[in-house]
Amino acid sequence: NAGVTQTPKFQVLKTGQSMTLQCAQDMNHNSMYWYRQDPGMGLRLIYYSASEGTTDKGEVPNGYNVSRLNKREFSLRLESAAPSQTSVYFCASSEEPQGQYFGPGTRLTVT
Amino acid sequence: RKEVEQDPGPFNVPEGATVAFNCTYSNSASQSFFWYRQDCRKEPKLLMSVYSSGNEDGRFTAQLNRASQYISLLIRDSKLSDSATYLCVVNMPGGSARQLTFGSGTQLTVLP
Repeated sequence: NAGVTQTPKFQVLKTGQSMTLQCAQDMNHNSMYWYRQDPGMGLRLIYYSASEGTTDKGEVPNGYNVSRLNKREFSLRLESAAPSQTSVYFCASSEEPQGQYFGPGTRLTVT
Repeated sequence: RKEVEQDPGPFNVPEGATVAFNCTYSNSASQSFFWYRQDCRKEPKLLMSVYSSGNEDGRFTAQLNRASQYISLLIRDSKLSDSATYLCVVNMPGGSARQLTFGSGTQLTVLP
């Protein structure tokens, strides 16, 4: 039982490049989330998916898209990376009313 | 006013000490409350949920005060391994009930 897994662990992009962050969970949770964490800002929700086939915007969705591929997988795409998207990205999953369980994170640098 | 506010610390305490953190939240309709811990350069990990009647898990006690809109975490007999950042987490009704708002965290260092 791996919990929540994320790939890649680290990534460096040039401005304008695109990439997809992958997330998978094996806990059979319905809800999945993408957050970014910046120093002094706390975790901020980018997008979430309450169930397979649905996605909704969070607090900071601009510049991102998501796909809930199936119940296990939830990907985050940056179409045209910007330096402001340099951050640590965490995926999480949950089953209400429990708390959320996080993956190990992806450290992204955009130059 | 921030939606979830915590004292950033740092709190430096000797091993064996008792330490308490408070967290205030802005939305009186919030229903779900949690404490997470986050080690340096790691993901947040769920420490405990916070229930209306208060709850305890070993050396950790969490309490909720709805009237004053704050939650607290008490750590007794601190261990070196308790050194981490503690995040207060609250759901914010108005959006999805699944949307949680995270505080910026309180940093704890337990000293030998």
